[in-house]
Amino acid sequence: DTGVSQNPRHKITKRGQNVTFRCDPISEHNRLYWYRQTLGQGPEFLTYFQNEAQLEKSRLLSDRFSAERPKGSFSTLEIQRTEQGDSAMYLCASSLGTGKGGQPQHFGDGTRLSIL
Amino acid sequence: AQRVTQPEKLLSVFKGAPVELKCNYSYSGSPELFWYVQYSRQRLQLLLRHISRESIKGFTADLNKGETSFHLKKPFAQEEDSAMYYCALSGRGSYIPTFGRGTSLIVHP
Repeated sequence: DTGVSQNPRHKITKRGQNVTFRCDPISEHNRLYWYRQTLGQGPEFLTYFQNEAQLEKSRLLSDRFSAERPKGSFSTLEIQRTEQGDSAMYLCASSLGTGKGGQPQHFGDGTRLSIL
Repeated sequence: AQRVTQPEKLLSVFKGAPVELKCNYSYSGSPELFWYVQYSRQRLQLLLRHISRESIKGFTADLNKGETSFHLKKPFAQEEDSAMYYCALSGRGSYIPTFGRGTSLIVHP
């Protein structure tokens, strides 16, 4: 297992376009997280899946953002009608666990989004 | 609400000097705390967690509930310790992890 894999590594698009990112977690991990990270900041939580169920979504998350995890395997994060402020690194992480509380997370390399 | 504060954006020391990266948290319930590290051109990875009470690469961190702190310490810094360090909190009553803004550690030869 090569760990958490994210594609693409970089995405450059024009304002107003839709973009979709993919995350393949470690195969046996049931938990999957999406984060956004901007320069000088730590990862900011966006959403959380336990298996295929989306159990948490940040209140800061615009309705232009949507995420799915069909069949509890890979996940996609879509941003519709992108804006300049969406430019950031989007990180995916996975872990193994049940219930609430934390388990060590394994991160991907991220997808860097640049909006022109 | 849960919050993690890393007061130093940058910490610069010489090789062999002691290092302490500060982390303070705010959480009303039982916290689970972690330190993650990101070396240059590598992905974010777990360094240690408070439950494990172990030393990784010479680093230790003790949870101080009275001071709501989880400072990361190493008695003798090495050049290879240069990296970004993030403190993270997962509350036992929540699915949402919170990260601090990170501290950049630079160890000079």
